[in-house]
Amino acid sequence: EADIYQTPRYLVIGTGKKITLECSQTMGHDKMYWYQQDPGMELHLIHYSYGVNSTEKGDLSSESTVSRIRTEHFPLTLESARPSHTSQYLCASRGRVLYGYTFGSGTRLTVV
Amino acid sequence: AQKVTQAQTEISVVEKEDVTLDCVYETRDTTYYLFWYKQPPSGELVFLIRRNSFDEQNEISGRYSWNFQKSTSSFNFTITASQVVDSAVYFCALTNAGGTSYGKLTFGQGTILTVHP
Repeated sequence: EADIYQTPRYLVIGTGKKITLECSQTMGHDKMYWYQQDPGMELHLIHYSYGVNSTEKGDLSSESTVSRIRTEHFPLTLESARPSHTSQYLCASRGRVLYGYTFGSGTRLTVV
Repeated sequence: AQKVTQAQTEISVVEKEDVTLDCVYETRDTTYYLFWYKQPPSGELVFLIRRNSFDEQNEISGRYSWNFQKSTSSFNFTITASQVVDSAVYFCALTNAGGTSYGKLTFGQGTILTVHP
């Protein structure tokens, strides 16, 4: 049973549309992360948060934005989707233990 | 900065063969954790094993075993008697306990493993 939920699982959307990818966790974890995984497989950290009202950009520059208004919720938004945003987006959370990462099932986004 | 390198892009084996996935890492921190994840075609990341930097003891868990060597900064993963269900992408990952990389999980490029019947 998943403790971290991502919706939608798959999304096909037209260029220029605004989209929000949802990520919620029920474990009370302070730390949350967004990873982008291109079709070439490599996973890159694009956003992270260490608590409510805390958000930071990751190692890979991204046009997406995130917010952290509630501990359990870490949505990612693209204001104007483009084909270059086609990718899988994986959300993760971690509690106090440094190695205790939990990953969501991912959202596969296709922008046409 | 931290870095993880998986030099093997793709590996193809026949069922029941043993297969070793290589992982080399770079970090300046003395306290860190290393992981192996499996990603089946469905896309989710499945946690397999982890090791902290202070424990170089190698272990076997069922058909899985790992070889952690700090002297060569390597964390290799072996599947014994491979099965078709082992076919997936395997990722090695690293997280540090301090510095600017604190708490961030850095992944290698991934190795595609295909096990043929």
